[in-house]
Amino acid sequence: GAVVSQHPSRVICKSGTSVKIECRSLDFQATTMFWYRQFPKQSLMLMATSNEGSKATYEQGVEKDKFLINHASLTLSTLTVTSAHPEDSSFYICSASRDRGGETQYFGPGTRLLVL
Amino acid sequence: AQKITQTQPGMFVQEKEAVTLDCTYDTSDPSYGLFWYKQPSSGEMIFLIYQGSYDQQNATEGRYSLNFQKARKSANLVISASQLGDSAMYFCAMAETGGFKTIFGAGTRLFVKA
Repeated sequence: GAVVSQHPSRVICKSGTSVKIECRSLDFQATTMFWYRQFPKQSLMLMATSNEGSKATYEQGVEKDKFLINHASLTLSTLTVTSAHPEDSSFYICSASRDRGGETQYFGPGTRLLVL
Repeated sequence: AQKITQTQPGMFVQEKEAVTLDCTYDTSDPSYGLFWYKQPSSGEMIFLIYQGSYDQQNATEGRYSLNFQKARKSANLVISASQLGDSAMYFCAMAETGGFKTIFGAGTRLFVKA
């Protein structure tokens, strides 16, 4: 159990377009979902925490208008990169937790975004 | 503030030998969880092992064991009988119980030699 999927797995887009990434918990209800960003050869950087039915909590330095997060249901959270630019190119990973403590997180396979 | 430190950017180990990946942490919260994740070149994060701050015994999961030394604030991962497939990036992470955030160390890249 505890499978998390992400779609798409990779996306290439033109500068100025918006990209939506979906994160789904397939076999459990995720009270909390997390969005991370990972640059090459670096660690995961938490971008935001989202709880179903409430607004996401963004980490310092993450633009909430740039990275829109919607946690519409207990099995789906979406991250929309609005007006993407080349510097937004990165590996985006979501994770999901059954509990609000976020203690055990189950990670999605990640989405590689390349903005041309 | 919470902090996770992995001081080994890269480690080499001979196949079938054991290897220890270091992790130290800092937190003022008495209740927390410690995790290790493996990230192969494909990018997915694979959960390996969990240790709660109040757990009396060191966690073990197959070939993985966590050497938890609470007084020293260390949570080293021991991989026994290394396999070629163990070559990957390994991240140590910590979450305060009841909190929302997990923080990750910088990672250690493990290379297993045949």
